[in-house]
Amino acid sequence: DSGVTQTPKHLITATGQRVTLRCSPRSGDLSVYWYQQSLDQGLQFLIQYYNGEERAKGNILERFSAQQFPDLHSELNLSSLELGDSALYFCASSPEGVSSPLHFGNGTRLTVT
Amino acid sequence: GQQLNQSPQSMFIQEGEDVSMNCTSSSIFNTWLWYKQDPGEGPVLLIALYKAGELTSNGRLTAQFGITRKDSFLNISASIPSDVGIYFCAGLDSNYQLIWGAGTKLIIKP
Repeated sequence: DSGVTQTPKHLITATGQRVTLRCSPRSGDLSVYWYQQSLDQGLQFLIQYYNGEERAKGNILERFSAQQFPDLHSELNLSSLELGDSALYFCASSPEGVSSPLHFGNGTRLTVT
Repeated sequence: GQQLNQSPQSMFIQEGEDVSMNCTSSSIFNTWLWYKQDPGEGPVLLIALYKAGELTSNGRLTAQFGITRKDSFLNISASIPSDVGIYFCAGLDSNYQLIWGAGTKLIIKP
C-alpha cells in the first residue's frame, strides 16, 4: 500500500459530461502529481501541485483542470469528455518536489461511452 | 522535449532466466528511478539511484546509474512468474523535470 488514495476506482460516463477525480496524498507529502495512462501506453504527465500551488504543467488539455486544497488533497476535473479521454488516471505524491521519488495510487479507470 | 529511450519494448522469457533492460538519453540526468506496474495498479517504486556509477540492489533486482549519467539499466535475476508486468524508468533532468520511458513489458513464457 503506497499510502496514496484515489477515488473512485472506476467511473463510467457519457461524452460531453464532467467528472471529478479525487486524490489523497501520503501523510506528510506536499506534492501531488496527476498522470494519464491510455491503454497499453506509457505515463503522460498532466500537472503537479506543491502545497496548494501549481508547480509544473505537462500535456494537460484545456478541458482538464486540477487543484490542491489546504488539507493537501487534490482533485482533477475533466469536462466535455470525449471517447479518447478513456484512460487510467493516476495520482502520485512526494514529500517535496520531484527530487524525491513519487509514490502512486492505484488509479481511477475512466470509461467514456 | 527530452526523451528517454527504454528498451526492449517487450520481453518474452522463460522462468528462471535473467532479464536486462535499459534506458538511455542524450541528456544528463541527476536521478534515475525504476518502477514496476502490475495490471490495473499504480506503478511501484523499485529502486532509486542518485549518483553516477551507483549500483543498488533490491532482492533479485539490481540497477545502475550509468557513469555518463545518460543511462541506467535494471537487471532481474532468476525471474519468477510474479515478475510479469511493465517496468518503467524515469530520469530527473537538470531542469528538475521527471522524464519517463515508454516501459518494458515482461512476459514469462509458460
